[in-house]
Amino acid sequence: GDSVTQMEGPVTLSEEAFLTINCTYTATGYPSLFWYVQYPGEGLQLLLKATKADDKGSNKGFEATYRKETTSFHLEKGSVQVSDSAVYFCALNYGGSQGNLIFGKGTKLSVKP
Amino acid sequence: NAGVTQTPKFRILKIGQSMTLQCAQDMNHNYMYWYRQDPGMGLKLIYYSVGAGITDKGEVPNGYNVSRSTTEDFPLRLELAAPSQTSVYFCASRFGQGKGYEQYFGPGTRLTVT
Repeated sequence: GDSVTQMEGPVTLSEEAFLTINCTYTATGYPSLFWYVQYPGEGLQLLLKATKADDKGSNKGFEATYRKETTSFHLEKGSVQVSDSAVYFCALNYGGSQGNLIFGKGTKLSVKP
Repeated sequence: NAGVTQTPKFRILKIGQSMTLQCAQDMNHNYMYWYRQDPGMGLKLIYYSVGAGITDKGEVPNGYNVSRSTTEDFPLRLELAAPSQTSVYFCASRFGQGKGYEQYFGPGTRLTVT
């Protein structure tokens, strides 16, 4: 079945460090790929998305490129801030009448000043 | 717009008790979802609905029931609560069924069954 695998956390970085969170997927079709972020005590918010191969999603300095050849959607940011501390979830979705998201386990990021 | 709202925020139940988790959205979305999030895990789909009067099971439906009498509301019912249902529950909604449509999440309900 379809699945999403994320790098294990927690990840601890100093402010202004470069961030990469790896995400790979297994899919039988051609899903869209998403990164959601969950700040402490809150629900999930969409961070960025890509709907087809080679698309790049970007938002708030974060980027991820949909790589069909490596089945990956790695999240990157050039310079993290303390306010980026959160749990990040990679997910895929086929749409359709069911259209539920299939999530990775999440990666907790802590950014120290 | 308030978006997706959930009540209560926290609840402690005794084994065997029942309760209803409320979810409402004011975005006129047809598609609504209930997920549970266990510690260190991603979210698992419990039930979903494609419109008023239409619901279907997700990956982990046992021990839960849903109804959808209006577009806005999608309550989740727990009958005979068990410790295995201790989790954080998220409701979400989506505008369309194309694969690019994002889901909007509520703030969650943290449930403990003891």
